[in-house]
Amino acid sequence: QSALTQPASVSGSPGQSITISCTGTSSDVGSYDLVSWYQQHPGKAPKLMIYEDIKRPSGISNRFSGSKSGNTASLTISGLQAEDEADYYCCTYAGSSTFVVFGGGTEVTVL
Amino acid sequence: QVQVQQWGAGLLKPSETLSLTCAVYGGSFSGNFWSWIRQPPGKGLEWIGEINHRGTTNYNPSLKSRVIISVDTSKNQFSLKLTSVTAADTAVYYCAGVVSTDDAFDIWGQGTMVTVST
Repeated sequence: QSALTQPASVSGSPGQSITISCTGTSSDVGSYDLVSWYQQHPGKAPKLMIYEDIKRPSGISNRFSGSKSGNTASLTISGLQAEDEADYYCCTYAGSSTFVVFGGGTEVTVL
Repeated sequence: QVQVQQWGAGLLKPSETLSLTCAVYGGSFSGNFWSWIRQPPGKGLEWIGEINHRGTTNYNPSLKSRVIISVDTSKNQFSLKLTSVTAADTAVYYCAGVVSTDDAFDIWGQGTMVTVST
C-alpha cells in the first residue's frame, strides 16, 4: 500500500481536460510545498512534469499544471493528446523519518 | 547537460547481494542528492535512499536494515548494495538525481532490471 493515494485510472477524449488527485496526510502533502509529478511511458524511465506543487520544468508543456488544497495535490492535463497516455505518479517529501513517498500511480487513457 | 548511466548484475539468487552503480556525466556531482528508486513489475515506484557528495545518506525505513548507498567522488559515481535479496526485490532499479530543481528527481537513469530467482 502506497503512502499517497491516487486513482488507479483516469480517461478522457482528445482535447478534454482530466485531473489526477494525490491524497496524503498533514505530515506529508499538507506540510510541505514539495509535491512532484512524473509521467512514465511503458518501458521508459519516469519524467518530471511538475515540482514544488505547481512549477513546470523547462520544456514541459503548459498543458500540464499542478495544484494543491490541504492534503490533496492534483495534476491537470488540458487539451488531452494521444501522447499523454501514460502512467502518472505523485511524490513528496514526508519529513526526516520517512523522507520520500510516492503514490501508487494513475493510468491515463486517451479514448 | 547532466546525464547518468547505470549498470550492475541483473540476475541474483535469494540471499545474495544486489549491487548497482550509477555514473554522473556532464555536470556538477557535488551539491546534489542522488537517489535509488525501484519499480517491481507492474507496480509503482518506491524510493530506496539517497546520498550526497559528502557521503550523507538517508534511507527508506522499510529497507534501511538491508541497504548501503555509497559514493566515489573521484569517479562521480554512487552505488547501491541491497543484502539478503528475495523474490520481492525483483524490480527495475533506477538511479535519479535532483539537479536543476531543489527537490525533485529531474535526472533519471535508464533503469536496470534485477531478477531474484532460484
